[in-house]
Amino acid sequence: GDSVTQMEGPVTLSEEAFLTINCTYTATGYPSLFWYVQYPGEGLQLLLKATKADDKGSNKGFEATYRKETTSFHLEKGSVQVSDSAVYFCALSDPRQGGSEKLVFGKGTKLTVNP
Amino acid sequence: DGGITQSPKYLFRKEGQNVTLSCEQNLNHDAMYWYRQDPGQGLRLIYYSQIVNDFQKGDIAEGYSVSREKKESFPLTVTSAQKNPTAFYLCASFGWGDYGYTFGSGTRLTVV
Repeated sequence: GDSVTQMEGPVTLSEEAFLTINCTYTATGYPSLFWYVQYPGEGLQLLLKATKADDKGSNKGFEATYRKETTSFHLEKGSVQVSDSAVYFCALSDPRQGGSEKLVFGKGTKLTVNP
Repeated sequence: DGGITQSPKYLFRKEGQNVTLSCEQNLNHDAMYWYRQDPGQGLRLIYYSQIVNDFQKGDIAEGYSVSREKKESFPLTVTSAQKNPTAFYLCASFGWGDYGYTFGSGTRLTVV
């Protein structure tokens, strides 16, 4: 079945450092790809998404490009802030999986940014 | 504003009891989902429903039950058969119009 593998954390950075969180996927169809962010004690918020190959999703300085050839969707940000400290989840949905639009998640990467 | 409301935010259950977690959405979304989150495990799908009066098991449905009598509501019951129910539970909905998933703020269930 479909699966998502993302780099294990925790990741600790200093403010203004460059961030990369790796994400690769396995899917039988043509999935849509997502990054979600979860702040402590809260639900998930959509950070960005891409629905087809070579699409770039971007939001709040974060970017990720849908790479079909490497089955990857790595999250990047050029200069992180303390407020970016959270858990980040990579996810996919494959509409061809019975039309259910289920999300399949990676295990999450906890990011801590120190001042 | 449209969104998903989960209640309660915190819930304590004695062993052997059934408890029901509420999930309500006013987004007019057809599909709704329940996920369980455990530390280091990511999110795992419990049940989902694409239309009213219909639902399917997810990856870890044992010990849980759901109903979908109204489009807006998708309550989850954690039964006494669930051997390890302490977790953070997240409800979500999906709408084709904006191809987006919306998540609730979660319910943290603790067995005491």
